[in-house]
Amino acid sequence: DARVTQTPRHKVTEMGQEVTMRCQPILGHNTVFWYRQTMMQGLELLAYFRNRAPLDDSGMPKDRFSAEMPDATLATLKIQPSEPRDSAVYFCASGLVWPTTNTDTQYFGPGTRLTVL
Amino acid sequence: QKEVEQNSGPLSVPEGAIASLNCTYSDRGSQSFFWYRQYSGKSPELIMSIYSNGDKEDGRFTAQLNKASQYVSLLIRDSQPSDSATYLCAVRLGLTGTASKLTFGTGTRLQVTL
Repeated sequence: DARVTQTPRHKVTEMGQEVTMRCQPILGHNTVFWYRQTMMQGLELLAYFRNRAPLDDSGMPKDRFSAEMPDATLATLKIQPSEPRDSAVYFCASGLVWPTTNTDTQYFGPGTRLTVL
Repeated sequence: QKEVEQNSGPLSVPEGAIASLNCTYSDRGSQSFFWYRQYSGKSPELIMSIYSNGDKEDGRFTAQLNKASQYVSLLIRDSQPSDSATYLCAVRLGLTGTASKLTFGTGTRLQVTL
């Protein structure tokens, strides 16, 4: 049963510290998404990659957030320095996207619950 | 105005009844529409997609789309306690997968009571 995995599942850190979240997409999927979910804002897209190339990171605060995909089995989201307002659940999702079809199911990982004190 | 709007609920329906969940969107160019279910503390999972005006049925779920009114809904027939969850409406500008950026509503919490 193929699944998206994320580590860590929970992270508590102090303001100013660096936070790195990792995601392993489903093998064979060509698109990876990073989302942030809060009660107030709901689920927001931060960035996404296709075939490891960044396509859109307009939802991400550029001064402190960075997203990379060093290889097809690993995507990372880094926050440096972290702030209390970054506290949220961060989801990674992956999907197999074909340009000529509308087939586009996104499979979500279990999320990383981040608390910045 | 938010791009995708949903009533936060909770929407409470008795077991066996029809639950009706609604969503409106602001971008008239939107082409693809999705309903995700999210149980408390879990990740979202896709339950329905719809691309054309009208109804699309899948088991107990029916998605309805009216692009002229910029309105999409999800009906759940014979509601079960296991349907209690938050339902997220998501909208995409493009029809094809290359336009994969989804915009989500904040979700409607559904409670199915015994």
